[in-house]
Amino acid sequence: GQNIDQPTEMTATEGAIVQINCTYQTSGFNGLFWYQQHAGEAPTFLSYNVLDGLEEKGRFSSFLSRSKGYSYLLLKELQMKDSASYLCAIMDSNYQLIWGAGTKLIIKP
Amino acid sequence: SQTIHQWPATLVQPVGSPLSLECTVEGTSNPNLYWYRQAAGRGLQLLFYSVGIGQISSEVPQNLSASRPQDRQFILSSKKLLLSDSGFYLCAFAGTGDHSPLHFGNGTRLTVT
Repeated sequence: GQNIDQPTEMTATEGAIVQINCTYQTSGFNGLFWYQQHAGEAPTFLSYNVLDGLEEKGRFSSFLSRSKGYSYLLLKELQMKDSASYLCAIMDSNYQLIWGAGTKLIIKP
Repeated sequence: SQTIHQWPATLVQPVGSPLSLECTVEGTSNPNLYWYRQAAGRGLQLLFYSVGIGQISSEVPQNLSASRPQDRQFILSSKKLLLSDSGFYLCAFAGTGDHSPLHFGNGTRLTVT
């Protein structure tokens, strides 16, 4: 079957670093996406990984290990506006997205 | 640039009433289009997707339907709403290329009373 696991909720402090993990088991793999979703709003695209390794975009980085079925999103220098849900999604062999339930990140001052 | 418009932003409808949500995309041709639903605190559930005019794939059997009358227009409908149809409905399009990310409209929050 197809399965994506993310922690339900995480808490971090403003200015700190947080790592949000995503593990997956899917039928085929054509890439992994991370999205940010603020409460009451639509998801917005953050990053895409298809090869193993780290992709860095400013304060946000995303890592992928295909052999381990594992990814993480790393957020540095946390700001209050980073409080949101972070969704992990896998593109399967049919180029369809399989979505995780999301991780709600709470930033405290 | 590519943009997506979805309306209305919020909607309150009684049980048994019809539904029509509309989504249009600008700045791209022949996009893949999607309708998702998100229940409160839950993940995204794919309802329908379309790879071209008149081509609709349904992922979840239910009392909703979708249509694509024009290349960049995607409509979600229901003849009779159920209480369980309440949720946050999101339209999305994929850019060109198999690995393109989805870009979402602002969503419609539907409350069925």
